[in-house]
Amino acid sequence: GENVEQHPSTLSVQEGDSAVIKCTYSDSASNYFPWYKQELGKGPQLIIDIRSNVGEKKDQRIAVTLNKTAKHFSLHITETQPEDSAVYFCAAFVSGSARQLTFGSGTQLTVLP
Amino acid sequence: NAGVTQTPKFRILKIGQSMTLQCTQDMNHNYMYWYRQDPGMGLKLIYYSVGAGITDKGEVPNGYNVSRSTTEDFPLRLELAAPSQTSVYFCASSLQGADYEQYFGPGTRLTVT
Repeated sequence: GENVEQHPSTLSVQEGDSAVIKCTYSDSASNYFPWYKQELGKGPQLIIDIRSNVGEKKDQRIAVTLNKTAKHFSLHITETQPEDSAVYFCAAFVSGSARQLTFGSGTQLTVLP
Repeated sequence: NAGVTQTPKFRILKIGQSMTLQCTQDMNHNYMYWYRQDPGMGLKLIYYSVGAGITDKGEVPNGYNVSRSTTEDFPLRLELAAPSQTSVYFCASSLQGADYEQYFGPGTRLTVT
């Protein structure tokens, strides 16, 4: 089945700096890649997603890039703010029989004031 | 719109006891999911449902059962609880399949001792 690896597991940045989180996937049939943000004590919430027919997608300070050849995708957060501190999960969806999301292990992002 | 609600928020079970985790959504979503989240790990899919009366196993179904008698409700049953089932359980729903935005409930923290 699909395997998703996420790095780093923890990331600390100064407020205003950029943060980058990377994920690799194993199944070349994966065609949907969401990113979820989980604040302490809450359920995950979708922040951005990308499909395999697109190389990059932006939403204000957040962007996701996808490299299908290398089978990796990344989350970029610019001008980080303290409220960006959370756990971020990447995931991949394989079209076909599995039809379920496989999640990475998460990145704890801390934005230092 | 309450979204996805889960009860209880916390529960402590003794080994061998049984319980049902409740999940309700008011968004008229066809697809519903149960995940478990262990410390330092991503979410693992336990069971999912594509509509009332239809359920299927996810990645880690052993020790659990589900039913889907209505569009709104998707309870998760734990029979003969074991320490390995200590985890945080999240219910989620989506209007279309797993390759669309999933809306998560706040979670149930379960400890089996």
